[in-house]
Amino acid sequence: DAGVIQSPRHEVTEMGQEVTLRCKPISGHNSLFWYRQTMMRGLELLIYFNNNVPIDDSGMPEDRFSAKMPNASFSTLKIQPSEPRDSAVYFCASSFGTSGPYNEQFFGPGTRLTVL
Amino acid sequence: AQRVTQPEKLLSVFKGAPVELKCNYSYSGSPELFWYVQYSRQRLQLLLRHISRESIKGFTADLNKGETSFHLKKPFAQEEDSAMYYCALEYGNKLVFGAGTILRVKS
Repeated sequence: DAGVIQSPRHEVTEMGQEVTLRCKPISGHNSLFWYRQTMMRGLELLIYFNNNVPIDDSGMPEDRFSAKMPNASFSTLKIQPSEPRDSAVYFCASSFGTSGPYNEQFFGPGTRLTVL
Repeated sequence: AQRVTQPEKLLSVFKGAPVELKCNYSYSGSPELFWYVQYSRQRLQLLLRHISRESIKGFTADLNKGETSFHLKKPFAQEEDSAMYYCALEYGNKLVFGAGTILRVKS
């Protein structure tokens, strides 16, 4: 298994443009997480899905951000319109099962987003 | 509210010196705590979990409920330990991460 796959790896766009980030979780995993990493705030959970259903989106910054998981093998995070303050590394992670001390999240390589 | 605090942004030590990466948490329930590590050009990955009480790559972490801490320790740092380290608290299938500490081991 190639692990969690994210695309694109790098994205440079101009303010106001729509940005779509993509994630393919590890096959068989039923939970998927989107995180944002910045120097100032570290890793922040944006949203997570369980069995393709959004469970908690309280970390989504504002209405400009939206996420979907149409099936068990694909998820998107969309920013529309993008702003310079959205520049960050966005990580997708997946896990199998529910909470507990043996739960482990597996992370993708991240998408580095730069909004000019 | 659930919170994880890592007070040091950067910790720089010499090879062979002891290392302690600090982590404090705020959580009203019984905490499930983890350390994740991100080496240069690699993915963020689990280093250790408190429930296992094991040593991974020479690192250990003890949960101290009285001090609400979960510090990561290693007696003798190696250059390959240089990385970003995140402490994380799990609740309800979610992970709350600290801001992270960059560990630099100098030769």
